[in-house]
Order: sequence, then C-alpha cells, then structure tokens
Amino acid sequence: QSALTQPASVSGSPGQSITISCTGTSSDVGNYNLVSWYQQHPGKAPKLMIYEGSKRPSGLSNRFSGSKSGNTASLTISGLQAEDEADYYCCSYVGSSTWVFGGGTKLTVL
Amino acid sequence: QVQLQESGPGLVKPSETLSLTCTVSGGSISHYYWSWIRQPPGKGLEWIGYIYYSGSTNYNPSLKSRVTISVDTSKNQFSLKLSSVTAADTAVYYCARGGCSGGICYPYDTIYYFDYWGQGTLVTVSS
Repeated sequence: QSALTQPASVSGSPGQSITISCTGTSSDVGNYNLVSWYQQHPGKAPKLMIYEGSKRPSGLSNRFSGSKSGNTASLTISGLQAEDEADYYCCSYVGSSTWVFGGGTKLTVL
Repeated sequence: QVQLQESGPGLVKPSETLSLTCTVSGGSISHYYWSWIRQPPGKGLEWIGYIYYSGSTNYNPSLKSRVTISVDTSKNQFSLKLSSVTAADTAVYYCARGGCSGGICYPYDTIYYFDYWGQGTLVTVSS
C-alpha cells in the first residue's frame, strides 16, 4: 500500500479559504467513503477533523469541510485563522482491514 | 474524557525488540479498536496495526512479520512489540482509538476514524 498523495504545502491569508487535496487510487480513496483528516500542531498529537469524507466530530468548527471526487478527497478550510496553521494528514481505508495516511501538508497562514 | 498514555523505553538497540504500552483512562477499552501509529522525525504518519478489545488483530503488511499487538482488558491497556528494529524504526509512536459507524465497534466492523490519541512517545533506535 502506497501513501496517499498530498501537496507538501499550501498557504493563505487570514479570512481566505484553502483546499488541501489527497489523491489515492480506485483501490482506496475511490473505493471507500472512509477518508478522514487530521490536524497536527508541532509537537502535538494529531486531532480528528473530518471522517467519512465529510462529517465533522461534535463541536468542531464548520469552517472545516470535506469532500471527494473520484480518487481525490479534499479538505477545505474557510475563514482562515492563525491557529489553523498546522500540518494536515488524510487517511483512507484500503481494504483488508488496513489504513494508509497521506504524506501530510503544511498549512501556512500568511 | 477518554485519555491515552504511551509508556516504554525511549532508546532501543538495533536488532532488539521495541516494547510500548498504552494505558486507557476515562473510558473502557471494550467495544473499540485500538491502534498504533508512528511518525518518523519530520515525516508523515504510518499505521502500524490494531487490536479489537476481544483480541483480534491486523497489521500493516509492510510490518506484519515484526509486529505483535496484545491487549490486557483487566488493566485497560494494550501493547506493541516490534522486533528486529533498525534506525528506520526511530519514530514518535502514538496509540489511538479507532471508532466505527455509530461510535462503538462490533466484531468485524470497519474502523471509520481515529478519534482519541495519546501524546506520543519518541523511540530512538541506536547502539
């Protein structure tokens, strides 16, 4: 199983919207609606932000949204805030009870 | 509030076995999957494997020959053993809870997400 492909970095100004892509194959992202997204601040544990492609955990800001088209999942953050600056990882079920993560994307808030 | 805490040696010699334990507090270990996930310094996340509270396991195919995950429900703990380690196994090791559709998991359910994570523990492989 190969890691999912994410851009190494994205950036945006406060108040703007950004989208992070996560590209897999028809065997993982394209075959299951089981993509989740995690936010990781430096030195901290990852935090669940989106699951089942587009669902938010209870209490999470609606500025975070997820979607999927074909073999590519996306995380959109609207109304960028300074505290959104972090690394973001996607994760997909790949069958046979196994999971694979993306390489991670560093979000910089300018 | 569920909390997870990893514990174990921070330094392991090459060719030896890495052993870590994750203690779950604030909730029962029952009816969930429990995973180990690692992150080499400056790199991305890698799923290592999971154990269901009843004891069924599954591992990343790339690590399967070297990994064993076990559970002790009486202590609300689960553990990781990784044998024949090399410098490439140097990483921050996280334990995490896997949740399923509707929250709790039944046998043969699929994990939908990893919702609670430990703070992580750095394990360095060096002589």
